[in-house]
Amino acid sequence: KAGVTQTPRYLIKTRGQQVTLSCSPISGHRSVSWYQQTPGQGLQFLFEYFSETQRNKGNFPGRFSGRQFSNSRSEMNVSTLELGDSALYLCASSLEQGGYGYTFGSGTRLTVV
Amino acid sequence: AQSVTQLGSHVSVSEGALVLLRCNYSSSVPPYLFWYVQYPNQGLQLLLKYTTGATLVKGINGFEAEFKKSETSFHLTKPSAHMSDAAGYFCAVSGGFKTIFGAGTRLFVKA
Repeated sequence: KAGVTQTPRYLIKTRGQQVTLSCSPISGHRSVSWYQQTPGQGLQFLFEYFSETQRNKGNFPGRFSGRQFSNSRSEMNVSTLELGDSALYLCASSLEQGGYGYTFGSGTRLTVV
Repeated sequence: AQSVTQLGSHVSVSEGALVLLRCNYSSSVPPYLFWYVQYPNQGLQLLLKYTTGATLVKGINGFEAEFKKSETSFHLTKPSAHMSDAAGYFCAVSGGFKTIFGAGTRLFVKA
């Protein structure tokens, strides 16, 4: 079966712009989580969605937002981009949170210049 | 609340030697514990997981981990390192609609 698909793979944006990243989870997975990965901070939890509802949110400013659609596909948006937002953004899908574990996408590499 | 501490940001072993990557966790509820591997320019891949039951868990690529509640540890081992094991390894604990990851350990394998 198809894995987790993230688009685009690479993105270059200018400070102040906004960006939208997309994630299609594995078929049947209703939980989608987003993480930001940077060399200095490691994997930081952004938010988790289940059946179109955000169930948990990490400690990121309001410029970071997300949503999930009825087909479980998810998007995250970052507005007013800052240089520090440059990172690998990873999407992970799961049947449910807890003991199932994640299947990760390959990520979107965002560079803010 | 959950937290994960991985001891050693970099570990170097010789090919054929034992691999030991350390992970200690903190959790206010019975934990679900995971190890993931990340190769360059890729996402993370699940190596193994502990939910309940047997405390020694076997995963892919010859890796295994032992859950020790008394030590709040979940160390990852492999008897004999292979060059292809060189990668980033992340320990994680799950609970409360999110999974928390450790900072990761970069494994280097010397020929």
